[in-house]
Amino acid sequence: DAGITQSPRHKVTETGTPVTLRCHQTENHRYMYWYRQDPGHGLRLIHYSYGVKDTDKGEVSDGYSVSRSKTEDFLLTLESATSSQTSVYFCAISEDKQAYEQYFGPGTRLTVT
Amino acid sequence: GQSLEQPSEVTAVEGAIVQINCTYQTSGFYGLSWYQQHDGGAPTFLSYNALDGLEETGRFSSFLSRSDSYGYLLLQELQMKDSASYFCAVRDNYGQNFVFGPGTRLSVLP
Repeated sequence: DAGITQSPRHKVTETGTPVTLRCHQTENHRYMYWYRQDPGHGLRLIHYSYGVKDTDKGEVSDGYSVSRSKTEDFLLTLESATSSQTSVYFCAISEDKQAYEQYFGPGTRLTVT
Repeated sequence: GQSLEQPSEVTAVEGAIVQINCTYQTSGFYGLSWYQQHDGGAPTFLSYNALDGLEETGRFSSFLSRSDSYGYLLLQELQMKDSASYFCAVRDNYGQNFVFGPGTRLSVLP
């Protein structure tokens, strides 16, 4: 299995509070992704990174920001959490732009009350 | 943009064969991937088709027809452990990111 960890694995927070989710990889893969998964919507891309300090928006980026200061770490921040951001968040990595396979982390279940 | 369609649910019995279809609309095409996800787990890669035809990996096979913008995942000799959700995915117009279908929940009955 690809070495990808996510922390925390579960979090309950209140509306309006900031939240940061961490993704850590040991594979030295260049590309890292954050997805959210909601019933009936499959996986939707929030943000992705194609290198240290190189990030871009995905399909559902509003309300989220990311940072990547090291190859191995990709952080997802909800500046002011809302109930609509209650979801399961997955981090994924891929070796390069042409890779057809992504490796997913175990996921973080976030509940915003 | 890209869009993918899959049946929401499929049910089959142990030992049977089941086909999960995926149709896609995309202006640029870089291949069709399939992922499996068990309840509470992470998606895991199953197969990839860049060219037309059938790719076989053990009990699982995946087919692609680029002219029909259509593919399917074929699962043979179904086992209870195959009960999971299955997602097809294509790359976006720039070939950089994946767009996933809504997923098909497969239930395997004894």
